[in-house]
Amino acid sequence: NAGVTQTPKFQVLKTGQSMTLQCAQDMNHEYMSWYRQDPGMGLRLIHYSVGAGITDQGEVPNGYNVSRSTTEDFPLRLLSAAPSQTSVYFCASSGTANSNQPQHFGDGTRLSIL
Amino acid sequence: DAKTTQPPSMDCAEGRAANLPCNHSTISGNEYVYWYRQIHSQGPQYIIHGLKNNETNEMASLIITEDRKSSTLILPHATLRDTAVYYCIVRVWEYGNKLVFGAGTILRVKS
Repeated sequence: NAGVTQTPKFQVLKTGQSMTLQCAQDMNHEYMSWYRQDPGMGLRLIHYSVGAGITDQGEVPNGYNVSRSTTEDFPLRLLSAAPSQTSVYFCASSGTANSNQPQHFGDGTRLSIL
Repeated sequence: DAKTTQPPSMDCAEGRAANLPCNHSTISGNEYVYWYRQIHSQGPQYIIHGLKNNETNEMASLIITEDRKSSTLILPHATLRDTAVYYCIVRVWEYGNKLVFGAGTILRVKS
């Protein structure tokens, strides 16, 4: 009963470093997305994917890349980390894009950029 | 572009019903209302959703007014573990399936 799994749970980076946040789901969901959550703000959509091989930008995509080579995995890449990217990152998935099925979230990755 | 308004905080006695209100006066005819909660910065947890009919599941009940401009989430017998931030969300169809999170309501359940 894994659901949406995110790794790592915590990470500290130096400015300019790159890294990949992993997200995997075992529910055969087509739709996957990445959000970031900053203090005092709601979750903001970074990138999303409506199926394997298809990705698109959300509200705040700058500084992030994504790919979707399989249905299960949707990694988020920070190309050159900046202090403004210090945040908590959540991955979510749901059955299909244009449906009313609820999105299910992982437990997040807490990222600090020094 | 949050489309919902919630009180910033509420208190509830343990064992009593917790009624969390939400206004969504600009909701469109085909937009669903979703409720999530977030405990201690864990990932948001789905609770319930609805379009225009009242809904009930093992966690909660959702009451939507006939004009769909507001709704109420009901936790029938609140426990200390229900202390969390509760988000009332209208799902918009841009970005495939975007959830628009507002500030939410901090519910404190007290013994």
